[in-house]
Amino acid sequence: SQTIHQWPATLVQPVGSPLSLECTVEGTSNPNLYWYRQAAGRGLQLLFYSVGIGQISSEVPQNLSASRPQDRQFILSSKKLLLSDSGFYLCAWTLRSLGNIQYFGAGTRLSVL
Amino acid sequence: DQQVKQNSPSLSVQEGRISILNCDYTNSMFDYFLWYKKYPAEGPTFLISISSIKDKNEDGRFTVFLNKSAKHLSLHIVPSQPGDSAVYFCAASEKRSSGDKLTFGTGTRLAVRP
Repeated sequence: SQTIHQWPATLVQPVGSPLSLECTVEGTSNPNLYWYRQAAGRGLQLLFYSVGIGQISSEVPQNLSASRPQDRQFILSSKKLLLSDSGFYLCAWTLRSLGNIQYFGAGTRLSVL
Repeated sequence: DQQVKQNSPSLSVQEGRISILNCDYTNSMFDYFLWYKKYPAEGPTFLISISSIKDKNEDGRFTVFLNKSAKHLSLHIVPSQPGDSAVYFCAASEKRSSGDKLTFGTGTRLAVRP
């Protein structure tokens, strides 16, 4: 069966520091991968998605970037964090055969201080 | 522009009664709709979905209704249980969208009172 791993679960970082959040999927091949952010009291905002290795689409301009160095690995990064980057970051995956149903990781709570 | 809207940020229901969560959308190209349930500090979990060729889909205590002409869908939970207390998100995807993206609503927090 497929599983998705996201780490770390919680992260506290100072303003201006770099960020690297990692997401991996097991038990499937060539998934579509997604990064979302849920800010306090807000819905789920799609940040990036990827349909294959090295293919990244950005949904909103921001201080973050994403990379997909391997088929089942998706990384969210920042060179310098801002206070507004605080939030709950979620990684998700899907396959076309699943009818657009996305499956989410447990999330990372990022606090930028 | 919020293409998927959940206008009720919260809902409180007595255990055993029906919970009705509503969702409206504006994009007529949406053809697939989903409901997710989310507990605090966890990722959303998929509940139920419906294709635009249907107007109802049922799975146990959960039923989703779709009214395409009104661009409205609703999730019914019968009977409601305390364990159903969570935030519920509706989501939609567009025909032939690049990357099979989902657009999410802002969520409705459901509290089921014992």
